[in-house]
Amino acid sequence: KAGVTQTPRYLIKTRGQQVTLSCSPISGHRSVSWYQQTPGQGLQFLFEYFSETQRNKGNFPGRFSGRQFSNSRSEMNVSTLELGDSALYLCASSLGDRVGEAFFGQGTRLTVV
Amino acid sequence: AQRVTQPEKLLSVFKGAPVELKCNYSYSGSPELFWYVQYSRQRLQLLLRHISRESIKGFTADLNKGETSFHLKKPFAQEEDSAMYYCALSNFNNAGNMLTFGGGTRLMVKP
Repeated sequence: KAGVTQTPRYLIKTRGQQVTLSCSPISGHRSVSWYQQTPGQGLQFLFEYFSETQRNKGNFPGRFSGRQFSNSRSEMNVSTLELGDSALYLCASSLGDRVGEAFFGQGTRLTVV
Repeated sequence: AQRVTQPEKLLSVFKGAPVELKCNYSYSGSPELFWYVQYSRQRLQLLLRHISRESIKGFTADLNKGETSFHLKKPFAQEEDSAMYYCALSNFNNAGNMLTFGGGTRLMVKP
């Protein structure tokens, strides 16, 4: 079956702009989580969506938001971009029942200049 | 707050040598622990989880609640084991899928 697909793979944005990243989970998976990966902070949880509802949220400012659609596809948005938002953004999908194996996408590399 | 610590950023061993990647956690509830691996140019993938008690690619990990550790071990390292390894913890009582990752250990297996 097809894996988790993230688009675009690479993005370059200017400070102050906003950006939207997309994630298509594995078919049948209802949970989508987002993580930020940086050399300094490592992998940090952003938020998780399940059946179109945000179920968990990490410790990130309100500039980071997300949503999930009825087909389980998810988007995350970052507004008023800062240089420190440059990172690899990973999406993971899972069935959503309690804690299960998370399947990761290849990520979107965001560079803010 | 939950925390995962991987004390070694880099572990270098020779092929055939034993490997132990350390992972310590702090969490007040009942945790579920995982090891994820990322091979070069590949996506992050699950290696093993403590509740399954499996051996994957020769790797095993035992949850030690007394020492709050979940070390990953393999008796004889292979060159293809070279990768980035992440220990991760999830809240057992939370219906959600929130993983807390350690900083990762890069394993290099030399020929």
